[in-house]
Amino acid sequence: DSGVTQTPKHLITATGQRVTLRCSPRSGDLSVYWYQQSLDQGLQFLIQYYNGEERAKGNILERFSAQQFPDLHSELNLSSLELGDSALYFCASSEGPLLTYEQYFGPGTRLTVT
Amino acid sequence: AQTVTQSQPEMSVQEAETVTLSCTYDTSESDYYLFWYKQPPSRQMILVIRQEAYKQQNATENRFSVNFQKAAKSFSLKISDSQLGDAAMYFCAYRRSANNTNAGKSTFGDGTTLTVKP
Repeated sequence: DSGVTQTPKHLITATGQRVTLRCSPRSGDLSVYWYQQSLDQGLQFLIQYYNGEERAKGNILERFSAQQFPDLHSELNLSSLELGDSALYFCASSEGPLLTYEQYFGPGTRLTVT
Repeated sequence: AQTVTQSQPEMSVQEAETVTLSCTYDTSESDYYLFWYKQPPSRQMILVIRQEAYKQQNATENRFSVNFQKAAKSFSLKISDSQLGDAAMYFCAYRRSANNTNAGKSTFGDGTTLTVKP
């Protein structure tokens, strides 16, 4: 158990819908990272937040957005969902970008778009 | 842009023997981090080992060690005394250092599926 929690574990929804994935980092970790793992795209970095602010951006679609709240939990919002958005979405956390780069991954949320 | 290449989609090893997984990367940066992650059937991503590019000494974690060749941009993972529990998909990853913009951005290879035969 990495200490990172993600809810829900599984999510099934229809095309065009909007969903919110939630992540709680390890106690004391200030950075949260979101990743998408799909069969055709592999594992891709989406976005990083550090202490509430966006720190780094990867291949995140405009239909996707994220935020980190004052209590440091993070949410990834996916809207206008398409079949190709079906994937395993991971959240990871680390103590901070300047202190350590060791990231601890959550168990993931499996999103199925039908 | 950085790229990470794992040229072996699948590898197999006999229990108790040694196997090496290959990884090459492309970057113009001099300061960065490299990682190997393990993803067992549970899908949990587990950090196996980390290497800082400025360190010449190869990282070692128990039965796991790396061969880091900075000039060749190669970062292979050696698993000694392979165990059945080592069976998983292994990902090589590159991460930009804090000195670069977009410092947290990571790039992953496509993964190598390791089978351990009893």
